[in-house]
Amino acid sequence: DAGITQSPRHKVTETGTPVTLRCHQTENHRYMYWYRQDPGHGLRLIHYSYGVKDTDKGEVSDGYSVSRSKTEDFLLTLESATSSQTSVYFCAISEWTGIGQYFGPGTRLTVT
Amino acid sequence: AQSVTQPDIHITVSEGASLELRCNYSYGATPYLFWYVQSPGQGLQLLLKYFSGDTLVQGIKGFEAEFKRSQSSFNLRKPSVHWSDAAEYFCAVGEVNTGTASKLTFGTGTRLQVTL
Repeated sequence: DAGITQSPRHKVTETGTPVTLRCHQTENHRYMYWYRQDPGHGLRLIHYSYGVKDTDKGEVSDGYSVSRSKTEDFLLTLESATSSQTSVYFCAISEWTGIGQYFGPGTRLTVT
Repeated sequence: AQSVTQPDIHITVSEGASLELRCNYSYGATPYLFWYVQSPGQGLQLLLKYFSGDTLVQGIKGFEAEFKRSQSSFNLRKPSVHWSDAAEYFCAVGEVNTGTASKLTFGTGTRLQVTL
């Protein structure tokens, strides 16, 4: 299995509080991604990174920001959490499109 | 923009029966194609991938998939399903020659239930 960890694995937070999720890889892959998974929607891309300090938006980026200061770490921040951001968040890594992406174990976030 | 359709939300098969999960994609050229499996409470695991060559690709756990350009399809098959195959399956398409991007678009998934 690819070396990808996510922390925390579970989190409950209140509406309006900031939340940061961390993705850490040991594979030295160039690309890193944050997805959210919701019933009936499959996986939707939030943000992705194609190198240190190089990031771009995905299809559902509103309310989220990211940072990548090191190759191995990709942080997802919810500046002010809302109930609509209750979801399971997955990090993925890839070296290039053709080999696919490898996923972390996920973080279940509940915003009350 | 590329898109993926998995027309079956939920499929039930008996253990030992054959399985085919459907996937149709929309893309201007031959894309990269993938199938992933997700067991409850787990992350996604790559089953198999296609980006050139033989249109019938073999993956892990006895799965295979066939790329049919004329039908824009990449259906997943298994000749004999085991109870442990019960999971959710996702088809994904990736763009070729994306420059700085290397993104996948996922279908909404098919949940497989296996009856004993």
